[in-house]
Amino acid sequence: DGGITQSPKYLFRKEGQNVTLSCEQNLNHDAMYWYRQDPGQGLRLIYYSQIVNDFQKGDIAEGYSVSREKKESFPLTVTSAQKNPTAFYLCASSLRPGSTERGYTFGSGTRLTVV
Amino acid sequence: GQQVMQIPQYQHVQEGEDFTTYCNSSTTLSNIQWYKQRPGGHPVFLIQLVKSGEVKKQKRLTFQFGEAKKNSSLHITATQTTDVGTYFCAGSRRPTGTASKLTFGTGTRLQVTL
Repeated sequence: DGGITQSPKYLFRKEGQNVTLSCEQNLNHDAMYWYRQDPGQGLRLIYYSQIVNDFQKGDIAEGYSVSREKKESFPLTVTSAQKNPTAFYLCASSLRPGSTERGYTFGSGTRLTVV
Repeated sequence: GQQVMQIPQYQHVQEGEDFTTYCNSSTTLSNIQWYKQRPGGHPVFLIQLVKSGEVKKQKRLTFQFGEAKKNSSLHITATQTTDVGTYFCAGSRRPTGTASKLTFGTGTRLQVTL
């Protein structure tokens, strides 16, 4: 079955370390997104990519970086510059940029904790 | 920037009671989507509304898009324990088919007890 795979499910990081979260999809979707979810808040957009080798900052991009070298993959790096990185990170994809008829498909998320 | 608020933040009902969550945007939306996130899970797409005043139904769930396209509601009739979760609305300012991004609401957490 097609879907989005995020790994790892749980991740612990020491302060000052960079860490990369994996997101892979086999849905042949063009657009991919990274969201951050904190308790009591909605999902906030970090970065999104509409096509390979192109991506745009979302609302809270500071302290994060991404790459889109392959259509299937959109990894997110949480850098040491991110002041409060402990959160639940969700990757999503959609068929085409702006295509919303079928909504976004989300991965199962990565829960990052800074220790 | 665009803000999307939902009320209530939390509601606890007994099984069989009805439930409604309201979504309000600071700007006019092109379309609005609704998602459900079970505890410990990830958001799952429920439906999209595009037209002003549009009403759509999915079994016990009724979705409505306001006439001004700045608000929306989700109503669940006769809740069941399987309805437990957080319901998010998400809006886009650009028409479907053009590059756009969704802004998610703050969510309403629904708890259902027997």
